[in-house]
Amino acid sequence: DSGVTQTPKHLITATGQRVTLRCSPRSGDLSVYWYQQSLDQGLQFLIQYYNGEERAKGNILERFSAQQFPDLHSELNLSSLELGDSALYFCASSPTGGNSPLHFGNGTRLTVT
Amino acid sequence: DQQVKQNSPSLSVQEGRISILNCDYTNSMFDYFLWYKKYPAEGPTFLISISSIKDKNEDGRFTVFLNKSAKHLSLHIVPSQPGDSAVYFCAASALRNNDMRFGAGTRLTVKP
Repeated sequence: DSGVTQTPKHLITATGQRVTLRCSPRSGDLSVYWYQQSLDQGLQFLIQYYNGEERAKGNILERFSAQQFPDLHSELNLSSLELGDSALYFCASSPTGGNSPLHFGNGTRLTVT
Repeated sequence: DQQVKQNSPSLSVQEGRISILNCDYTNSMFDYFLWYKKYPAEGPTFLISISSIKDKNEDGRFTVFLNKSAKHLSLHIVPSQPGDSAVYFCAASALRNNDMRFGAGTRLTVKP
């Protein structure tokens, strides 16, 4: 158990809809990362937060947004969903966000129909 | 932009033999490299890391080698065990950039 909790585990929704994925980091970790994994591809970095502030941005679409709250949990909002957004979305956390290993949750599997 | 590349999608080895997984990177700013292991229906799990000031790091059966001039790293597993069968991801980060980039993964199968 990594200590990182992601909810829900599975999500099925229709095109055009909006969903929110939630992540609770490991106790004591201040930094949260979001990754997308599509069809057995690699982990595509989306965005990173540290103690409530956005710190790094990757290939995140404009239809996607995220935030980290004062209690350090994070949410990833996906809107105007398209079929191609179907993927596994992973959240990871680390103590500081610097060069240290990330601890991953078990992911949320999103299916857009 | 594929800054971290794992060109072998799969690798099959016999139990007891050595498994060698390879990874190449393009960003010379990367200064910290990691390997993760992933089982189905689980998130990736950290396995071993190496800083750019070293060229080798060993942890039990796992050794990571870093060749900075070639921008190449490898993971050696000796001896390989059936329980090592998983997808292995190479990752790299640069302290100043605050993100971590992953390769596409290599599926390792260790046959009994």
